[in-house]
Amino acid sequence: QPVLTQSPSASASLGASVKLTCTLSSGHRSHAIAWHQKQPEKGPRFLMKINGDGSHYKGDGVPDRFSGSSSGAERYLTISSLQSEDEGDYYCQTWDTGIQVFGGGTNLAVL
Amino acid sequence: EVQLLESGGDLEQPGGSLRLSCAASGFTFSNYAMSWVRLAPGKGLEWVSAVSAGGAGTFYADSVKGRFTISRDNSQNTLFLQMNSLRGGDTAVYYCAKFRASTAPNDAFDIWGRGTMVVVSS
Repeated sequence: QPVLTQSPSASASLGASVKLTCTLSSGHRSHAIAWHQKQPEKGPRFLMKINGDGSHYKGDGVPDRFSGSSSGAERYLTISSLQSEDEGDYYCQTWDTGIQVFGGGTNLAVL
Repeated sequence: EVQLLESGGDLEQPGGSLRLSCAASGFTFSNYAMSWVRLAPGKGLEWVSAVSAGGAGTFYADSVKGRFTISRDNSQNTLFLQMNSLRGGDTAVYYCAKFRASTAPNDAFDIWGRGTMVVVSS
């Protein structure tokens, strides 16, 4: 099964940009992934799906400030013009023959 | 509006059983695979189980295999999770999630519920 690796934490200043990374394990470099946002007292929110070629599909209502890209085994979520409400945990998800896998999550702090 | 509403979470003793439900609305439930995902205190999201659109295909994380059973009633637009032989490590908020564009569980989750809390403790 694929393994997804994320940095445990990230931080950036209000109004700045941040790029979160999700790395696929060897042998699964072409897998698509999804990014989800989890904030306290709320259910997770689907942000976007990123394919291996970098094409992506965004969820309903996700602001244009959120974008996705891909390079090799890495899948990126870039958030520009950071706002305080962007604070929270960000998880990547992938799948393989019915089995779902999550990365460990990145806690994003907006300074 | 597309919505998932979980229920059934409770405080249960180790070794006990609980049945979670997820009521779906705003989309054609029978066209999509569905899943359960949990979030334990201080931990990250953990996938629990998934079921194909028709209900025939079921998949489980190793941590719950043999103890949990996923099922669905497409006539009632409802997803279930039967949880037996509960352990302390099952304590978590349980979320229902819809797969984006597939009758099989091989896609992103695009809709999530708000969750229901399960506490396993004596």
